[in-house]
Amino acid sequence: DIQMTQSPSSLSASVGDRVTITCRASQNINSYLNWYQQKPGKAPELLMYAASTLQSGVPSRFSGSGSGTDFTLTISGLQPEDFGTYYCQQNYRAPLTFGQGTKVEIK
Amino acid sequence: QVQLMQSGAEVKKPGASVKVSCKASGYSFTRHDINWVRQAFGQGLEWMGGLDPNSGTTVYAERFQGRLTMTRNTSITTVYMELSSLTSDDTAVYYCAREYFYGSGTYEPFDPWGQGTLVTVSS
Repeated sequence: DIQMTQSPSSLSASVGDRVTITCRASQNINSYLNWYQQKPGKAPELLMYAASTLQSGVPSRFSGSGSGTDFTLTISGLQPEDFGTYYCQQNYRAPLTFGQGTKVEIK
Repeated sequence: QVQLMQSGAEVKKPGASVKVSCKASGYSFTRHDINWVRQAFGQGLEWMGGLDPNSGTTVYAERFQGRLTMTRNTSITTVYMELSSLTSDDTAVYYCAREYFYGSGTYEPFDPWGQGTLVTVSS
């Protein structure tokens, strides 16, 4: 199975800060990498797919980059509504696997 | 709009089975795979498997092989996930999620998701 490792596990940042979350795959997954945001008690929502393509309706302060094994999700100008847990997921090969999540808190 | 509506919470005893439904609406049912993902309390996301509603073809994560069954009823645009031989480790919220087709050539990401169904396994 392809292991997905996110860092950090949690972070606390202020409104307006630039936030970066890293996701590393245990093997090459090209650009088959997706990002989801999950708020407490809610289902995850797709933020980004193919490593860097923003899902429709997602604010442009979110951006993604990377290919191969190393990927990043960046929030440029953190907003109060950006709290929650962020998960990366590889869709290169079954079983589809997720990172363990990064919990983002607003200071 | 595209919606996935799941059945309600379940409480089961160890060794029993549970069947969760996921009713799709707002799109052509047979054109998009449906996947199931579960999340234990305070834990991460775990993909269980997926189903092609057009053909009924399924793919299951190996760890669930033998006790996971996904089926569909195209006449009522509903997909079912049945998990047998339940243990306390199966206590989790179970989500169905539709594939978001962008032409990856492999598997697609998930969007949207159902609201989740809490399955509690307790004696």
